[in-house]
Amino acid sequence: AQTVTQSQPEMSVQEAETVTLSCTYDTSENNYYLFWYKQPPSRQMILVIRQEAYKQQNATENRFSVNFQKAAKSFSLKISDSQLGDTAMYFCAFMKGSQGNLIFGKGTKLSVKP
Amino acid sequence: EPEVTQTPSHQVTQMGQEVILRCVPISNHLYFYWYRQILGQKVEFLVSFYNNEISEKSEIFDDQFSVERPDGSNFTLKIRSTKLEDSAMYFCASREDKIKQYFGPGTRLTVL
Repeated sequence: AQTVTQSQPEMSVQEAETVTLSCTYDTSENNYYLFWYKQPPSRQMILVIRQEAYKQQNATENRFSVNFQKAAKSFSLKISDSQLGDTAMYFCAFMKGSQGNLIFGKGTKLSVKP
Repeated sequence: EPEVTQTPSHQVTQMGQEVILRCVPISNHLYFYWYRQILGQKVEFLVSFYNNEISEKSEIFDDQFSVERPDGSNFTLKIRSTKLEDSAMYFCASREDKIKQYFGPGTRLTVL
């Protein structure tokens, strides 16, 4: 069975600084996808970024980028130029193949301080 | 951008009662999901639905749960006899052929 581990329950960062959230996963699959979802206080789940396991290049979306280390089964999220609106829970998620369900980690609560 | 909608936003029920949570997926989407999140915990997969049948379900999704797509637009989750531990946020999600799952805003279920 696949597992996703987020070892940082809470983190804080000053506005405009950079922060990295950690995620590791365990799988024997070769074809899978990894995601970071943001959950603000409204509790809506918002996709931040995704990575295909077969791609070596790290995904980027504006201020958000990942460091995908397939051999180490590590998938960290870097947020650059942090903004107050980035304050939220961040969940790392794994999907087997291209049609499976999402398996989530326990989340990291990020607070961006002015 | 099209959105997944869910109703009601908050449902309060007595233990042992039946509840139906409703979702309207994005219209051209083919795959549908229910997830739940107990307060302060991680999001957990319940069930996936494709081509009018369940394609996968977790061990949480026992005989008390059922899903239905009654009219081609709605996607419902029924809990037959609610328990206190069913109190959670329930998220519906949908996707077309591509990878991204679009989540609804959730229904907060409170069982008293």
